[in-house]
Amino acid sequence: EVRLLDSGGDLVQPGGSLRLSCTASGFTFRMYAMNWVRQAPGKGLEWVSGISGSGSSTFYADSVKGRFVISRDNSKNTLYLQMKSLRAEDTAVYYCAKRLGGGGSGYDYFDDWGQGTLVTVSS
Amino acid sequence: DIQMTQSPSSLSASVGDRVTITCRASQAISTYLNWYQQKPGKAPKLLIHAVSNLQSGVPSRFSGSGSGTNFTLIISGLQPEDFATYYCQQSYTTPMYTFGQGTKLEIK
Repeated sequence: EVRLLDSGGDLVQPGGSLRLSCTASGFTFRMYAMNWVRQAPGKGLEWVSGISGSGSSTFYADSVKGRFVISRDNSKNTLYLQMKSLRAEDTAVYYCAKRLGGGGSGYDYFDDWGQGTLVTVSS
Repeated sequence: DIQMTQSPSSLSASVGDRVTITCRASQAISTYLNWYQQKPGKAPKLLIHAVSNLQSGVPSRFSGSGSGTNFTLIISGLQPEDFATYYCQQSYTTPMYTFGQGTKLEIK
């Protein structure tokens, strides 16, 4: 059974930093690209960042580019999101999501999600 | 950037009803269109991928159709557990993605 466990969310002041983690089990972690998706309170889903299975390629939404860094440790089956220069508008539940498809397969979607971790940016 | 627009934003329906939710892309996305269901306080759950492919375990009352820029999610015979928020997602611009703003399905 695939399990993704999100952690690290907290209350942080504007301008502060935080690192989120997503610990995976039940599948061969290094074989899959992973993503972070966030949801501000009462709002919709926003894709934040993605990383290839090897970790060699990373991608960011314009809203977080230059402030957030996605990484992974395949030896620990763990995905990370290092966030800095946090703003009030970064307040959200952050979900990690496993990506299936791509590479010309004709499909590309998120088939498993973590339970989410809440980041609150406020003074 | 590709924008995804869902309609309606909210919808009231009764158990047993047939419901249609529409998702429109700002440009053609082929069949790179997925649907997710989210219940309050829970993570999104994949329902349908590549327009019309039902995820394992998803009831057959859910179906999807469309191509190009216009896509539809249909729920035939609403059940109490179907009241939730539904999101479309385009993956044409993979590895970057866009979600629709969501459609909240409420009990009438």
